Amino acid sequence: SSELTQDPAVSVALGQTVRITCQGDSLRSYYASWYQQKPGQAPVLVIYGKNNRPSGIPDRFSGSSSGNTASLTITGAQAEDEADYYCNSRDSSGNRNWVFGGGTKLTVL
Amino acid sequence: QVQLVQSGAEVKKPGASVKVSCKASGYTFTSYGISWVRQAPGQGLEWMGWISAYNGNTNYAQKLQGRVTMTTDTSTSTAYMELRSLRSDDTAVYYCARVPANLHDAFDIWGQGTMVTVSS
Repeated sequence: SSELTQDPAVSVALGQTVRITCQGDSLRSYYASWYQQKPGQAPVLVIYGKNNRPSGIPDRFSGSSSGNTASLTITGAQAEDEADYYCNSRDSSGNRNWVFGGGTKLTVL
Repeated sequence: QVQLVQSGAEVKKPGASVKVSCKASGYTFTSYGISWVRQAPGQGLEWMGWISAYNGNTNYAQKLQGRVTMTTDTSTSTAYMELRSLRSDDTAVYYCARVPANLHDAFDIWGQGTMVTVSS
């Protein structure tokens, strides 16, 4: 399968911890990357590889993976974390093809 | 600083073609790949294809095979995406994104996006 599945929407109380998940067969072979997208803006990479953050990404963002499921965790969610979050990975074909999850809308209450 | 700057918005009629450019600066262009991603209004991200700026090798999403061509001009550090036989459902924001070889296949830098509207 070349699909990645995400929950459409998740909410979290300000300052609490939230986990956003991404499921797909390709995740058994490839790492997921995670992107944050705010309205009217381009996506921004927040997590890549096993659990790596690009420069400038707060350490409250972390990633993990088990089997066919990758997770993005925000520990101590802030109001500015309200956004759409997308996972992606290489697909299972072995070629340089990628696939995106459908996205999760995170609401910070 | 490292950036990708895309060309401006386009309005096209059904059946026409569009060519979007993505000019890279602040890094060695030929050391990275470029992926193109699109986003229809109110929808999620869709991967369109990838090109190696080193040797021009490409891979395209199956649903776009035959309608899309990705190229690079190393003399100007610019990537191009051409989409032909446009339909109304091609209306979307089109993004280019840099793909390093050593970042576990992540897209680390994105262009600002180019809105393409297909309408009669």
